[in-house]
Amino acid sequence: QQQVKQSPQSLIVQKGGISIINCAYENTAFDYFPWYQQFPGKGPALLIAIRPDVSEKKEGRFTISFNKSAKQFSLHIMDSQPGDSATYFCAFFSGNTGKLIFGQGTTLQVKP
Amino acid sequence: ETGVTQTPRHLVMGMTNKKSLKCEQHLGHNAMYWYKQSAKKPLELMFVYNFKEQTENNSVPSRFSPECPNSSHLFLHLHTLQPEDSALYLCASSQDTVGHRPEGYTFGSGTRLTVV
Repeated sequence: QQQVKQSPQSLIVQKGGISIINCAYENTAFDYFPWYQQFPGKGPALLIAIRPDVSEKKEGRFTISFNKSAKQFSLHIMDSQPGDSATYFCAFFSGNTGKLIFGQGTTLQVKP
Repeated sequence: ETGVTQTPRHLVMGMTNKKSLKCEQHLGHNAMYWYKQSAKKPLELMFVYNFKEQTENNSVPSRFSPECPNSSHLFLHLHTLQPEDSALYLCASSQDTVGHRPEGYTFGSGTRLTVV
């Protein structure tokens, strides 16, 4: 079973600040490295995903950085807003099997 | 609403009860999944169905019994559960289990199960 180590477990950021969440993995035998956002009472929703042959992907205020040599990928949330307060999960996704393996999750609180 | 509907949203059951969770998707997907989300643990894949056939069972105890009568509906039958089975049970669907992207994977809002 692929090990995914996500950190930190929880994060408090001031409004307008940068939120950074990291994930470490063991191998890259997956097709995509997505990040999911989950609000209380809701299921996870895909936020942004990156392929292992790409070093960075940006969508609006959200950026994934992928460091293949360090076997790490991270989510940066620029200009963090209170509405970003949620739990964030990194994951691995296999296009061949449709299998998703999730990290432990990071609870983000953005203070006004 | 994401297109994947789960009912009930909340369920409290005794250890000797029998209950069922229901998942329904109107996305035209052919693969459906059950996940378990416990506090402070990663989401755990329980079962995978593709075109109504079970393709994966991740060593789930037999007190959880899935059923997929058609590609739009998925059930999780519960009996003689334990308090440690209390969790959020999430259903998800995708077009297929092969050759697609994470964008095609949709989760429901889950059923919050409490076993007393």
